[in-house]
Amino acid sequence: EAQVTQNPRYLITVTGKKLTVTCSQNMNHEYMSWYRQDPGLGLRQIYYSMNVEVTDKGDVPEGYKVSRKEKRNFPLILESPSPNQTSLYFCASSLRDGTNQPQHFGDGTRLSIL
Amino acid sequence: AQSVTQPDIHITVSEGASLELRCNYSYGATPYLFWYVQSPGQGLQLLLKYFSGDTLVQGIKGFEAEFKRSQSSFNLRKPSVHWSDAAEYFCAVGSTGRRALTFGSGTRLQVQP
Repeated sequence: EAQVTQNPRYLITVTGKKLTVTCSQNMNHEYMSWYRQDPGLGLRQIYYSMNVEVTDKGDVPEGYKVSRKEKRNFPLILESPSPNQTSLYFCASSLRDGTNQPQHFGDGTRLSIL
Repeated sequence: AQSVTQPDIHITVSEGASLELRCNYSYGATPYLFWYVQSPGQGLQLLLKYFSGDTLVQGIKGFEAEFKRSQSSFNLRKPSVHWSDAAEYFCAVGSTGRRALTFGSGTRLQVQP
């Protein structure tokens, strides 16, 4: 089954404790992206990747890091999380360019930073 | 900069009634337009998309949307709503230069029996 898998689905942690949210897709997609969803703001892009070893900032990259060492994986790293990063996070992928192709979304990761 | 506006934060309709969710965008060229639906606890699922051609596009679950260039709108419609349509709906616009989708803030649909 074609899918985007995120882990964990839920995480409560404390300020400053490094964390990683994993994302994996099994569709051989070139494009992958991370979004955060906050009430009243819709989804805002954090980072995206056009292919292996190619990543770029989205609209709200501050406080986040990503890597794309393999085509299927695109982890999101919060080196020193802060309470303002409490949010619902989605990973998405598409065959190529993420703007003119449908994106496939994971089920989301709800992060709470205390 | 491109932007997407969904003027209705929350809409309630009765089951069996028709539905129209509004979406207005701001973008210089012809945009790529999408509607996604998010059920509680789930990711976003693509309902339909418009890239070019016929301005009335059909999607899954009986939804359709009409692209109106003169009004910069891409409204989502369904002739008869089912209780299972209760969810949050997002309009999004893509542009090749920006390599990203810009999402509206969403419209939450509630369906009354």
